[in-house]
Formats: sequence, C-alpha cells, structure tokens
Amino acid sequence: GESVGLHLPTLSVQEGDNSIINCAYSNSASDYFIWYKQESGKGPQFIIDIRSNMDKRQGQRVTVLLNKTVKHLSLQIAATQPGDSAVYFCAENLSYQLTFGKGTKLSVIP
Amino acid sequence: GAVVSQHPSRVICKSGTSVKIECRSLDFQATTMFWYRQFPKQSLMLMATSNEGSKATYEQGVEKDKFLINHASLTLSTLTVTSAHPEDSSFYICSARQNIQYFGAGTRLSVL
Repeated sequence: GESVGLHLPTLSVQEGDNSIINCAYSNSASDYFIWYKQESGKGPQFIIDIRSNMDKRQGQRVTVLLNKTVKHLSLQIAATQPGDSAVYFCAENLSYQLTFGKGTKLSVIP
Repeated sequence: GAVVSQHPSRVICKSGTSVKIECRSLDFQATTMFWYRQFPKQSLMLMATSNEGSKATYEQGVEKDKFLINHASLTLSTLTVTSAHPEDSSFYICSARQNIQYFGAGTRLSVL
C-alpha cells in the first residue's frame, strides 16, 4: 500500500540549465554505481555507470562524479530538456546485487 | 542495450486470486533475474533473486509461499502472487543482468 505523506525530493530546473542530482550511498565496499532514470509507470532505464576505481565518467550530456571519501555520488545533466523530467535513482552494487537510493524527482520548467 | 520484456503491464484482480507475471530476456541469456517491488513515490525494493534451475533467494521479510518464483529457462522467470490481497497491490519490476542490469517495464497490480 501507499505510505501517506511520503514524497520524493524534487529538483526543479529551467529548460537549458544544468541539473545536479545528488546521492549518498551506504556501503563503502560497493564497487560499482549506476544512475537510472524512471519515467512515470515505467521501469528504470540505465543512464550511466561508474566503477569505484574512477571518480568521474562522462556520457552524452551526463556526467557522474564519485567521491568515495564521503560516499557521495552525483549526476550532472547538461542543457536539461523537458524529456529529462523523471525520477532519478542511484544504485550501488555489491556482490552482484543492487541497492537503490531514495530517488530524486527532476522537473524541467519549459 | 539489452531488452527485458515484462508481461502483463497491468493487471486488476479480485482478492484471493493468483496472478502470474512473466519476465523475459529477449536477446541474451540470464542465469539470474531479479524481482523488485515499488510502492508509489518510493524506491525499488529487492524481493528475490531468481536463479535458473534452482530455488530463488528471497530477501528478509518476503514470503516465499506468497511470491512464487520460477526460473525454468535462461530467458524466462515468472513471479506468481498467490492468493492476492489488496495490500499486495504495487508495481512489480523484473530485471536481468548482461554486464549492466536492465529492467522490464513493470507490472501494475491492483487487487480489489
């Protein structure tokens, strides 16, 4: 059932601006991290990943930064578009099992 | 990327009935598939890991007799919600790994 009163953190961004979505992960032994995008009523869609031996990885319009010292992950989206509106989850991998973060809802203002 | 197909996308059933959800890896073989549950505005919670040819591994608090998992082939895993009740209403999502973990489109289960 639904948890009354629970809401996702929301980030509202003007179209064309850059977005930064943050995530704190829990296990310092996690060796692999993934960002997923989930549109309403759909399954998560892979965006970008990064291994623990890296601190930055770039894709098309997206960049992931990893700070293992403080167990922090961020997703940067350049020139945010209306189609980027969705919920974004980070996930950490340990022993081939993913654990998802709470998620952030990105709303793009046209 | 790899494709994971999930069916049905939506099901509405009466309380007490059983519902089967299928998850297929379309262009790769998956010895392991995963089943998640997601409540509105919440994150994905792993329910169980489905292993081809052997028993599924269930997460703590997930009733294995309630959520039956069968992974009979390298491309198909099924989740059966037995004797469904309104509290089982949720969004169920499967995934399979081919280097990266890919997800199905999800199944919205509504139990009346």
